[in-house]
Amino acid sequence: DAGVIQSPRHEVTEMGQEVTLRCKPISGHDYLFWYRQTMMRGLELLIYFNNNVPIDDSGMPEDRFSAKMPNASFSTLKIQPSEPRDSAVYFCASSPRASGKVTDTQYFGPGTRLTVL
Amino acid sequence: DQQVKQNSPSLSVQEGRISILNCDYTNSMFDYFLWYKKYPAEGPTFLISISSIKDKNEDGRFTVFLNKSAKHLSLHIVPSQPGDSAVYFCAASAFSGNTGKLIFGQGTTLQVKP
Repeated sequence: DAGVIQSPRHEVTEMGQEVTLRCKPISGHDYLFWYRQTMMRGLELLIYFNNNVPIDDSGMPEDRFSAKMPNASFSTLKIQPSEPRDSAVYFCASSPRASGKVTDTQYFGPGTRLTVL
Repeated sequence: DQQVKQNSPSLSVQEGRISILNCDYTNSMFDYFLWYKKYPAEGPTFLISISSIKDKNEDGRFTVFLNKSAKHLSLHIVPSQPGDSAVYFCAASAFSGNTGKLIFGQGTTLQVKP
């Protein structure tokens, strides 16, 4: 199993540019999560999907952030326009369905390190 | 407004000794707790979990303790090994984790010295 795949691994862009981060979850997983890691706040949940449907986007910081999951094997997180304070590591994670018991362990991708100059 | 707090950014211990990482939470709805471990340039990986119906869960060298009245949990690593050096994240969930939504703390960097 290839695990959760994220691309690009590193992204450097200039303020005002559009940034698109990509994620391929583990096949068969029903949940997909986007997180942001910063030194100050640690890992913050931005948004998560269940069966390709956004369930909770309360963590999305601003309207500049948007996420889509057009199918079960692909998701994007877009920032437009980007700002220096968006610089962080963005993680995608996927999780199997809780089948009658507590099974919400999440499998994380390697992350995308975003630097906005 | 951090619902899950890890107040110690870093911890250093000697190999073979006990490592104790602490975590506090504020939301009484949380009933399922996890610890994740993260190495540099990698995503976090699941380490151990505990349900609120228990006060202790053990897995090899790793034990998690839950004190619901104090809204506090801790992770004990005995004995600590240099390979345990990593960032440890505490996480909490409501509804027994069945929503899939986890709230993470800021993380504690553990360094185990040989």
